[in-house]
Amino acid sequence: DTEVTQTPKHLVMGMTNKKSLKCEQHMGHRAMYWYKQKAKKPPELMFVYSYEKLSINESVPSRFSPECPNSSLLNLHLHALQPEDSALYLCASSQAASRAAHEQYFGPGTRLTVT
Amino acid sequence: RKEVEQDPGPFNVPEGATVAFNCTYSNSASQSFFWYRQDCRKEPKLLMSVYSSGNEDGRFTAQLNRASQYISLLIRDSKLSDSATYLCVVNGSSASKIIFGSGTRLSIRP
Repeated sequence: DTEVTQTPKHLVMGMTNKKSLKCEQHMGHRAMYWYKQKAKKPPELMFVYSYEKLSINESVPSRFSPECPNSSLLNLHLHALQPEDSALYLCASSQAASRAAHEQYFGPGTRLTVT
Repeated sequence: RKEVEQDPGPFNVPEGATVAFNCTYSNSASQSFFWYRQDCRKEPKLLMSVYSSGNEDGRFTAQLNRASQYISLLIRDSKLSDSATYLCVVNGSSASKIIFGSGTRLSIRP
């Protein structure tokens, strides 16, 4: 089972709202990732969690706050977003984040619109 | 120079044709290489990893040229369902960080 699930599929939020994106995998993977993808662009890495610890933060603004409650779950808390943050937010997982990058499996994404 | 570069296309080829894409990378220390495909408004899906000796999966063949720092993807007997954006992926300065190329759009016509 190579499934990564994400909820919600779509989210519309105002600039003063607080919302959370959720991601779950049951493949026993120990690395999880958040990406942001704008239209016609490749995914851009935001955060990497390895063994439930944040290992990479790609200088993401603090209005995005990741959380990894356990090895299967990854959240992205959103607060005071800007319209330019509207994008597809993708979660991915891999066996581990080690010396050689492992294949990553992506969830279907959350399409976020900030009004 | 971008870390990973691809020809954006679009490649528009007839069904049954053979098509090839190249992707160059700048970090000579990169160890992991992948091809993903992404359909419109969907998530990227792993197509195949690329191994040093080259590897094949059905109609798809991937090659790695470390000396010239590029990887390639060959699709034989292309099908309509092969229409997608193909993303070249290479691990960056940190092994846990992978870098996506900008993608090559492929359109197969009947």
